[in-house]
Amino acid sequence: QQQVKQSPQSLIVQKGGISIINCAYENTAFDYFPWYQQFPGKGPALLIAIRPDVSEKKEGRFTISFNKSAKQFSLHIMDSQPGDSATYFCAAGSSGSARQLTFGSGTQLTVLP
Amino acid sequence: NAGVTQTPKFQVLKTGQSMTLQCAQDMNHNSMYWYRQDPGMGLRLIYYSASEGTTDKGEVPNGYNVSRLNKREFSLRLESAAPSQTSVYFCASSATSGPPHGYTFGSGTRLTVV
Repeated sequence: QQQVKQSPQSLIVQKGGISIINCAYENTAFDYFPWYQQFPGKGPALLIAIRPDVSEKKEGRFTISFNKSAKQFSLHIMDSQPGDSATYFCAAGSSGSARQLTFGSGTQLTVLP
Repeated sequence: NAGVTQTPKFQVLKTGQSMTLQCAQDMNHNSMYWYRQDPGMGLRLIYYSASEGTTDKGEVPNGYNVSRLNKREFSLRLESAAPSQTSVYFCASSATSGPPHGYTFGSGTRLTVV
């Protein structure tokens, strides 16, 4: 069974702090690692994604760090804001015909004002 | 607006009733997916369709059937609803050519089976 393990389950951060969410995967065939952000009552939305040929990708305050040898990747949210409060899902997939994604269990982030 | 449209948004069923969840995308994507979301369990794949005319089981297919009606539409049917199927259901689509793409999700259907 392909798995993506995500931690922590919940995270509380002060405004301006750094939020860090970690994921680990097992299947070495995975070659695409996206993060999704979900607000209450909405569907998940793609936030940022990385391929295994780079170790880091940054978009604004959001950074993915990728460690291929350890089969781990993480999301860092710099200068966290109350508007970042949401559930975050990591996922992993391969460039197969169906492009299935396997999702982590999610992290509920709360940023306190 | 382009995207994935799901209907209905909310539904309450009695145990044993049947219903079909509808999903349509207007992005010319080849692949479509149905996921269920339960607290603490993330998103679990029920069925997917890699292309028009094909469907395959995902992680949790029992109790569900799907139909890929055409390239745009992918429906999920519960033949005899059970309380264990109380969940939020998401449809998603993705392209299958070029570099890997993320999914585009619909806004979900919140289903309660009593």
